[in-house]
This record gives sequence, C-alpha cells and structure tokens, in this order.
Amino acid sequence: AQSVTQLGSHVSVSEGALVLLRCNYSSSVPPYLFWYVQYPNQGLQLLLKYTTGATLVKGINGFEAEFKKSETSFHLTKPSAHMSDAAEYFCAVSDKGSGNTGKLIFGQGTTLQVKP
Amino acid sequence: DTGVSQNPRHKITKRGQNVTFRCDPISEHNRLYWYRQTLGQGPEFLTYFQNEAQLEKSRLLSDRFSAERPKGSFSTLEIQRTEQGDSAMYLCASSFDSGYSYEQYFGPGTRLTVT
Repeated sequence: AQSVTQLGSHVSVSEGALVLLRCNYSSSVPPYLFWYVQYPNQGLQLLLKYTTGATLVKGINGFEAEFKKSETSFHLTKPSAHMSDAAEYFCAVSDKGSGNTGKLIFGQGTTLQVKP
Repeated sequence: DTGVSQNPRHKITKRGQNVTFRCDPISEHNRLYWYRQTLGQGPEFLTYFQNEAQLEKSRLLSDRFSAERPKGSFSTLEIQRTEQGDSAMYLCASSFDSGYSYEQYFGPGTRLTVT
C-alpha cells in the first residue's frame, strides 16, 4: 500500500527565508508524486509533479522539489518566502500504469506560516 | 476551460436528512474523483469514475453514500441519513487519461455541516 508522511504539521519562516517542507513516501512501484497548495476554504491547486525523467522539478510560484529514490523523499523548497505563500501544503502519491485509477494518497498536510 | 465546479459550496443540514452534491468536471476529462477532507487532515479518496463507470470505491464510502456519473459528464454524490461524522469538505477532481499523466484538477469543494 502507498502512504505519505509529511514531517512537521506546522512550519514557520520569516519573509525572505528559505522554505523547506518535508515529504516521505512509501510505494511498491515507482510513484508519481505531487505537491498541492490549499488556501482557506478553497480547493487544491497543483504546485508541481514528478512522473519520470529529471528528478528536480520546478513548479509555480518559485517552488521546486527533488525526487530522491534512495531516501524515498520529495521535499518542497522555495529560496525566499513571500507572505502570499502562507497556506496548507499537501504532498501526494499516485499509483500509475495501465488499469490503475490514479487516485491520490495524501499526507496530513503542513501549514506554512510566513512572518513579516 | 472553466475548471472544475462544485455546487453547492456550503450545505448545512440536520442529522438524518439526505444531501446531494454536484460536480462538473473539465469538459474533456474522462476521469473523475471524489475525496473527503476533515479539518486538519489531507483529503481521503472516496470513489473514482472513468467515463460513466464507477471503478473503485473506498471502504470509507459506506452504504449511505452513493455516487453517479450519468453519461460520463457531471457527477453527483448523495449522502443518505446524514450523521454528524459526515461533516467535512467534499472535493471533486478530474483528469484526462493520456496514458502517462494523472494530474488532477480540483474543484473548490462543498463544505457540509451536519447539526
């Protein structure tokens, strides 16, 4: 069975500081990995995804993540935090391949607080 | 492309009543998913449609829950005899089966409060 663990339910950084949100996954097959962001009372917006190929993936709003198979990790980073980055972030893993549903298994989420 | 839409956005109901939610996916998307999100948690998978066929249901989807996707277009999720534990955000997502990408686009959700 697939699972996702996000280390740290709350992360607080100062504006302009590095953002690092941690995600570890468990999967019996090579996974598809995603990071989504959720603002209050809204749905989820895709930040970035890893499917195959380059292990460092770039997403929207200056975010990027690196797939490390040996560490089963997919940590999300942004060099300089902005106040507008304050939100809930979810890491997710999907099964893939012909016949699979592509359903997403989410971590419990990390709330990012950005202090002025 | 207007994105995934869900109606209503908010629903308050009394315990024991039935409720129905609607999801309109992105028009060319053949895959549709329902998830449930409780406060402080990540979304949990409920059910999946490919076109009009419901191909997977989570064990979370008790027999009080039913979902349909007639003609492979919009979908409805009905909860019968609601319980307070059903209070949650219900999210719909859609995707296009291109054979190599399962990127899902989410709607804004329907927040259900059972009193």
